[in-house]
Amino acid sequence: NAGVTQTPKFRVLKTGQSMTLLCAQDMNHEYMYWYRQDPGMGLRLIHYSVGEGTTAKGEVPDGYNVSRLKKQNFLLGLESAAPSQTSVYFCASSYDNSLNTEAFFGQGTRLTVV
Amino acid sequence: GDSVTQMEGPVTLSEEAFLTINCTYTATGYPSLFWYVQYPGEGLQLLLKATKADDKGSNKGFEATYRKETTSFHLEKGSVQVSDSAVYFCALRKWSSNTGKLIFGQGTTLQVKP
Repeated sequence: NAGVTQTPKFRVLKTGQSMTLLCAQDMNHEYMYWYRQDPGMGLRLIHYSVGEGTTAKGEVPDGYNVSRLKKQNFLLGLESAAPSQTSVYFCASSYDNSLNTEAFFGQGTRLTVV
Repeated sequence: GDSVTQMEGPVTLSEEAFLTINCTYTATGYPSLFWYVQYPGEGLQLLLKATKADDKGSNKGFEATYRKETTSFHLEKGSVQVSDSAVYFCALRKWSSNTGKLIFGQGTTLQVKP
């Protein structure tokens, strides 16, 4: 019972490098989200998707792109990494957008940009 | 805009002590309220939730009551254990723009000493 799986778990990038974070869920959820977690700031929404082939911007989308080509996968891309993008990234998914639906989270990706 | 405010941590308690973590929110309409817990090195897990005023969510000895008059959802536990050491996040969800997104507080770190 995998749930939400993120890869990689850790990564160190040099400024200007690019990378893609992969999120995979096996629960047939429609909604998927990418958050970043920074000390003292909780989790902030980067991008989200309400179904296969759809994406939308969250609170802090600058410097990131996303794609949802398959329902089970949600990719987060950094085209040119900056030190300000050093953070822990969490992917989440939920079955629908009703008020009491639980969101399931991956274990996180710790990214350091030097 | 909508927001969630939690008491600052870290909170340090001895085993079997009483726990309260304060959470207040600002939101229009009628949000659902959640507490998520993040154990060291793991992703977030739903701890409990409440979907309307005066509802009480409970799980694993933790409780929180949705107080609309004070816009609060304080987390309580009568007797904490070392295994409760974690970061606790209060969050809300609204029926807004069809996103189902969660808005998080900044998180409160709980340390329980034997």
